[in-house]
Amino acid sequence: SQQGEEDPQALSIQEGENATMNCSYKTSINNLQWYRQNSGRGLVHLILIRSNEREKHSGRLRVTLDTSKKSSSLLITASRAADTASYFCATDAWGAQKLVFGQGTRLTINP
Amino acid sequence: NAGVTQTPKFRVLKTGQSMTLLCAQDMNHEYMYWYRQDPGMGLRLIHYSVGEGTTAKGEVPDGYNVSRLKKQNFLLGLESAAPSQTSVYFCATVAGGTDTQYFGPGTRLTVL
Repeated sequence: SQQGEEDPQALSIQEGENATMNCSYKTSINNLQWYRQNSGRGLVHLILIRSNEREKHSGRLRVTLDTSKKSSSLLITASRAADTASYFCATDAWGAQKLVFGQGTRLTINP
Repeated sequence: NAGVTQTPKFRVLKTGQSMTLLCAQDMNHEYMYWYRQDPGMGLRLIHYSVGEGTTAKGEVPDGYNVSRLKKQNFLLGLESAAPSQTSVYFCATVAGGTDTQYFGPGTRLTVL
């Protein structure tokens, strides 16, 4: 069963706008990670936030974590065409760095 | 450094045939994982290994076997392929004491 549920399933915005994706999960976690997948490629790690952190930044990425609501959000600011990809949240709850992935959000940036 | 490589990139099998997928890494990472990705399902963990000579089951292990005889290689075997195993298979690695997973490019498998 999938731990993470992502919302929306698909998002289409204009270049330069901000994109926000949300992830909800079911059980307690050690950390939550976001990955990007370009079409036909493997996943690439974007950012990790630990259960004792509430917000983290990396370049144009901002991740928040609300453990009381079991939810996280990924904000991409000033979007670019190259940001077009699928974005997955993944939770580490069982140890051994075993990740459980959400179904992903398909982001399209229109020029 | 090649990072994580997967062989083959594409394969078509007939029902009942067997095959082995190879994942190789040159980063000296301790942990290795096999996932499958189906449309609309995200990635699901098949098997994983926390070190040479050790393997463990993930979320969807049925129909698959694995071996990690060498630290740098993680093999995924399908003994008798079924159409339900049509999927894209990804290998990933993690360095001990860290959390970031590094993914290979994937193997697209079709079982007819």
